[in-house]
Amino acid sequence: GNSVTQMEGPVTLSEEAFLTINCTYTATGYPSLFWYVQYPGEGLQLLLKATKADDKGSNKGFEATYRKETTSFHLEKGSVQVSDSAVYFCALSAHNQAGTALIFGKGTTLSVSS
Amino acid sequence: GAVVSQHPSRVICKSGTSVKIECRSLDFQATTMFWYRQFPKQSLMLMATSNEGSKATYEQGVEKDKFLINHASLTLSTLTVTSAHPEDSSFYICSARDAGGGSEAFFGQGTRLTVV
Repeated sequence: GNSVTQMEGPVTLSEEAFLTINCTYTATGYPSLFWYVQYPGEGLQLLLKATKADDKGSNKGFEATYRKETTSFHLEKGSVQVSDSAVYFCALSAHNQAGTALIFGKGTTLSVSS
Repeated sequence: GAVVSQHPSRVICKSGTSVKIECRSLDFQATTMFWYRQFPKQSLMLMATSNEGSKATYEQGVEKDKFLINHASLTLSTLTVTSAHPEDSSFYICSARDAGGGSEAFFGQGTRLTVV
């Protein structure tokens, strides 16, 4: 079946450090891939997405590249800020249809200190 | 982007009572909505898929008689936790994808349920 595996946290960094959160997936076909962010007490917000192999999603300094050969979608940011502290979820959708639920990884907590 | 509104954001109820959580798509039609439960160590578990005008599809292990889902219109799905117990305390999140296209899912703000 389809699944997402992401690195376990928590990840603790100092401001301006480089961030990588690993995410790998298992899926049949060609899924769409997503990174969502959840701030304390809130729902999930889309951070970035990629819908086909070699696509790079980017937003707010975060990037992730859809690598079909390694079935990965690692999240990176060159210089993190305190405001980036949140829980990050990698997710996939087997089909780009409204009736298909997203499948999530377990989430990685990022804590950035000044 | 599209907006999904979930209400209430927090609720405290007594054991044995029922609680209704509403999920609305504000600017798009959602023939399908999804209900997730988030456990303390952040994992997001899909509970059920809510289909407008028909019965919900529940994931394995989710009690359909305890978690009643109604999707009476293209913009509203409700989750009712019946005869709530302390172990039902959790963060519940709804989600919808725009029936008109696009691959991303939009999420409500979540509901923190505490059963005392």
